Amino acid sequence: DGGITQSPKYLFRKEGQNVTLSCEQNLNHDAMYWYRQDPGQGLRLIYYSQIVNDFQKGDIAEGYSVSREKKESFPLTVTSAQKNPTAFYLCASSIWAGGANTEAFFGQGTRLTVV
Amino acid sequence: AQSVTQPDIHITVSEGASLELRCNYSYGATPYLFWYVQSPGQGLQLLLKYFSGDTLVQGIKGFEAEFKRSQSSFNLRKPSVHWSDAAEYFCAVGATGTASKLTFGTGTRLQVTL
Repeated sequence: DGGITQSPKYLFRKEGQNVTLSCEQNLNHDAMYWYRQDPGQGLRLIYYSQIVNDFQKGDIAEGYSVSREKKESFPLTVTSAQKNPTAFYLCASSIWAGGANTEAFFGQGTRLTVV
Repeated sequence: AQSVTQPDIHITVSEGASLELRCNYSYGATPYLFWYVQSPGQGLQLLLKYFSGDTLVQGIKGFEAEFKRSQSSFNLRKPSVHWSDAAEYFCAVGATGTASKLTFGTGTRLQVTL
């Protein structure tokens, strides 16, 4: 089945530790995104990538890092510099049609809790 | 910068009643507009989208939305709500030339009473 797979579903991290969230897609989509969701705030864009080996900061990139070494994969690292990392993280992908927007497809999310 | 406002944080309707969820956007050109639905602890599912053309768009699960440029609105409607429609609904706007990245509203939580 084609889709976006995020793992793990639940993640616990101690303060001061880095942690990496996995996002894999087999939709052959060019663009991939990471969003953070907090209650009452909707979704906010962390990073996005249009093509392999290229990515751009979104609205709340501080304390996060990403890589895009393969088209199918876009892992997100939550670093110790992120002051309030407890949140629900959603990965998405879309076709990049030469500047035209297409709909984004979302994974099932990873809930990160700092303990 | 683009923005989306969903003025209703929480709405309760009876099963079988009609539904309208409000969405207002701010964007300088013709926007690309989306409605997504999210069940608790899950990802987002696309209900419908507007790119161009007919301003009344049909989506999945019996939902529709109407793009009104003069009001900068893209309200979501359903004639008869089912208990399974209880979820959180997000309106989003995408702008051309910005890698399809979306700006989301803060969401409207729908509760359905039997």
